[in-house]
Amino acid sequence: DGGITQSPKYLFRKEGQNVTLSCEQNLNHDAMYWYRQDPGQGLRLIYYSQIVNDFQKGDIAEGYSVSREKKESFPLTVTSAQKNPTAFYLCASQDKAYSTNEKLFFGSGTQLSVL
Amino acid sequence: QQQVKQSPQSLIVQKGGISIINCAYENTAFDYFPWYQQFPGKGPALLIAIRPDVSEKKEGRFTISFNKSAKQFSLHIMDSQPGDSATYFCAAHEGSQGNLIFGKGTKLSVKP
Repeated sequence: DGGITQSPKYLFRKEGQNVTLSCEQNLNHDAMYWYRQDPGQGLRLIYYSQIVNDFQKGDIAEGYSVSREKKESFPLTVTSAQKNPTAFYLCASQDKAYSTNEKLFFGSGTQLSVL
Repeated sequence: QQQVKQSPQSLIVQKGGISIINCAYENTAFDYFPWYQQFPGKGPALLIAIRPDVSEKKEGRFTISFNKSAKQFSLHIMDSQPGDSATYFCAAHEGSQGNLIFGKGTKLSVKP
């Protein structure tokens, strides 16, 4: 089955710890995105990547980092600098880079909580 | 600054009724307006989308109405069913260099 796989489904972070959320897609899509979802706040863009080895900051990039070494993978690291990391994190992909009116395909999300 | 304003925050509709969710925007450079549907614990999925050169688009029970002069667009769900209970997000896209900007979402509950 083609799609986007996010892991783990649930993740707990201790104070001062960095954690990495995995996102893998087998759709051969060019572009990948990370969104943060908080209750009643909609989806806010953290980082995005249109091509391999290139990525840009979204609206709320502070405290996060990403890499795009392979087309199919776009991991997100939540660093200790992110003081309020508890949220539902969604990874998405899009077939063509720099494209309008293209559908976003979302993974099933990772719920990150602070211990 | 909220670029896409969505209302209501929550909506309860009886089975068979019409659900209406509204969105408004300010940026006239927006050129693509999708609606996404999200079930609990899942990622959103594209439901229906419209471009500003069209005033209405219908797919099955779902219709987008678009008013370019008022900078508003809305989702109508006809004959609403309990299986439609989900959170709905409107969004807007700005040109080839922009990204999707999402509204804050509407939680729809359809009562049997």
